[in-house]
Amino acid sequence: KAGVTQTPRYLIKTRGQQVTLSCSPISGHRSVSWYQQTPGQGLQFLFEYFSETQRNKGNFPGRFSGRQFSNSRSEMNVSTLELGDSALYLCASSLGILRVANTGELFFGEGSRLTVL
Amino acid sequence: GIQVEQSPPDLILQEGANSTLRCNFSDSVNNLQWFHQNPWGQLINLFYIPSGTKQNGRLSATTVATERYSLLYISSSQTTDSGVYFCAVEINPRGSTLGRLYFGRGTQLTVWP
Repeated sequence: KAGVTQTPRYLIKTRGQQVTLSCSPISGHRSVSWYQQTPGQGLQFLFEYFSETQRNKGNFPGRFSGRQFSNSRSEMNVSTLELGDSALYLCASSLGILRVANTGELFFGEGSRLTVL
Repeated sequence: GIQVEQSPPDLILQEGANSTLRCNFSDSVNNLQWFHQNPWGQLINLFYIPSGTKQNGRLSATTVATERYSLLYISSSQTTDSGVYFCAVEINPRGSTLGRLYFGRGTQLTVWP
C-alpha cells in the first residue's frame, strides 16, 4: 500500500511569506505527526493530530500551526516566515497513539524541504 | 530534560565489516524506534523495539529497557548502508510527553567499497 505522501517536496519562499505543507498518511492511519529537521537542532517535534484533534504540541511559536481533516490528511502552515524556518519538514503517520504497542510505530514521508531567502 | 544520546557520532567502515551503534536514554520508554535516513532525507523504519531483540537480515537490534539503552548491529556492511541512523524514544509519560518521539543526534555511517 502507498506510504506517507508529502507535498510539495521542495519550495523556496522569502521572509514574511507563509507556506502550507500537505501530508497524506498511510491508508487506515489516524495519527499524523510533524517534525522539523535542521542541522543545528536536529529532529524536533512540532505537533500531533489524531481524529482531527491536536493532541500534543512541541515548543514552537504560534506561527506554526496545523490541522487534520476527516480523511486523516494533514496540513501544516508557517506564517511570517523567518530565515531560521529553513528546514526539512517531515510528516509521520501511525495507526494510533504512540503509547499503545503495535499501533504506535511511526512511518515517515520523504519530507518537504523549505528554503527561506 | 529528556536525554537521548547516540554513539558514536561518526563511523567509517570498509565494506564487509560489522558495527554496533548505541542509544542511551534517560527514562523509561513506551516506544523506541531505529531509523535510517537516506540521502534524500526520508526516515526509513528499521525496528520498533521498546524491549527485547529483533533481527531483519543483516540488521538486528536489542533494547534493554531496565538499563536504558538500545543497540543496533549491522553485519557485513554494504555501501548502501551509508547514511544517518537515528534512535527515537517516547518516554514513559508523567505529563505531557504523550504522542511524541525524542530523537538522538544520530550516527553518521560511511561504508567504503
